[in-house]
Amino acid sequence: SQQGEEDPQALSIQEGENATMNCSYKTSINNLQWYRQNSGRGLVHLILIRSNEREKHSGRLRVTLDTSKKSSSLLITASRAADTASYFCATGARGGSEKLVFGKGTKLTVNP
Amino acid sequence: DAGVIQSPRHEVTEMGQEVTLRCKPISGHDYLFWYRQTMMRGLELLIYFNNNVPIDDSGMPEDRFSAKMPNASFSTLKIQPSEPRDSAVYFCASSPGTSSADTQYFGPGTRLTVL
Repeated sequence: SQQGEEDPQALSIQEGENATMNCSYKTSINNLQWYRQNSGRGLVHLILIRSNEREKHSGRLRVTLDTSKKSSSLLITASRAADTASYFCATGARGGSEKLVFGKGTKLTVNP
Repeated sequence: DAGVIQSPRHEVTEMGQEVTLRCKPISGHDYLFWYRQTMMRGLELLIYFNNNVPIDDSGMPEDRFSAKMPNASFSTLKIQPSEPRDSAVYFCASSPGTSSADTQYFGPGTRLTVL
């Protein structure tokens, strides 16, 4: 069964605007990761947030984690056309497993 | 490092044929993962290895699928016989495994089309 579910499924914005994507999950996690996939390419890791962290920044990316609500959000500030891609959250379960379970992703389109 | 290498990048075959997908993980990574991605089902974990040993193959859809990792630098995913519903993009990923649920590094994928 899929752990992460992203929302919205698709998002279209103008260059310069902020993009917010959400992820909900079902069970206790060790960490939550966000990945990006450009069309026809493999996934690329963006950022990892551990279960004891609430917020993390990396460049124009800001990730929050609310373990009480089992949800996370990814904010991309000052978006660029090059940010056009699909974004996936992936959760690693508690218990030491190396498995990540991926959601179906949010398809972001940034219009120039 | 060249990253995770997969071959072929594209494969078109006919139903009933054997298909072999290949992966070379990043040197020094202890974990190797095989995923399948389709529009309908998203990204599904098929199997993963730790130090060349299969740990969890619960995602392998059926006996037609098999995976091996004969050494630390090479893995194969084989489908025999192939069926049209196997058409998908197959990704290999590796991770250093320095911590639980570590960051995974993905290859470019193999796009498989079974006619």
